Amino acid sequence: QQQVRQSPQSLTVWEGETAILNCSYENSAFDYFPWYQQFPGEGPALLIAIRSVSDKKEDGRFTIFFNKREKKLSLHITDSQPGDSATYFCAALNQGGSAKLIFGEGTKLTVSS
Amino acid sequence: NAGVIQTPRHKVTGKGQEATLWCEPISGHSAVFWYRQTIVQGLEFLTYFRNQAPIDDSGMPKERFSAQMPNQSHSTLKIQSTQPQDSAVYLCASSLRVANTGQLYFGEGSKLTVL
Repeated sequence: QQQVRQSPQSLTVWEGETAILNCSYENSAFDYFPWYQQFPGEGPALLIAIRSVSDKKEDGRFTIFFNKREKKLSLHITDSQPGDSATYFCAALNQGGSAKLIFGEGTKLTVSS
Repeated sequence: NAGVIQTPRHKVTGKGQEATLWCEPISGHSAVFWYRQTIVQGLEFLTYFRNQAPIDDSGMPKERFSAQMPNQSHSTLKIQSTQPQDSAVYLCASSLRVANTGQLYFGEGSKLTVL
């Protein structure tokens, strides 16, 4: 049973456009949601994260929007660049429970120039 | 500062052989995690250690897989009698704090291929 789901599986946008990556979860106990970025041949790296007490977190061109009631969140990448081409993983954590992060299936983003 | 170091980067084994994967966490980090990554299953949690003690191994296949952390500078993941379905990238990650921050630093992974 997949506790964290992502869509779409793959996404292609043009350089300069906004890419929107979606994530949903099932477990109401999750209260911390990091997004990880992974390039081929590398391990995932933390990109940006949000706590469930917030509905928005911004860091440069990357913004997380969080809807606790619907158990949904999204990552918006504005002014997408070819260097943003990577796989993005949404993850979830119950900070009061086990430290294990639960990852979604990932969205492969391609930014074309 | 060096990141998480994993060796070997690539390992090819025959079915039924043993594979041992090594991880050196970032110095000073108190938690070490192992994940398995495949195209089909994505990133699967296997196990983690805090201050060298095993805390949660709920993701480990009960047979053939074992993990240890004999000292604060390295952890090993051992797979006995490897099977083709064990083929995956095995990722090690470390975390600075004991508290559950969700901020993991991953190594580049060890790609295991079982023929």
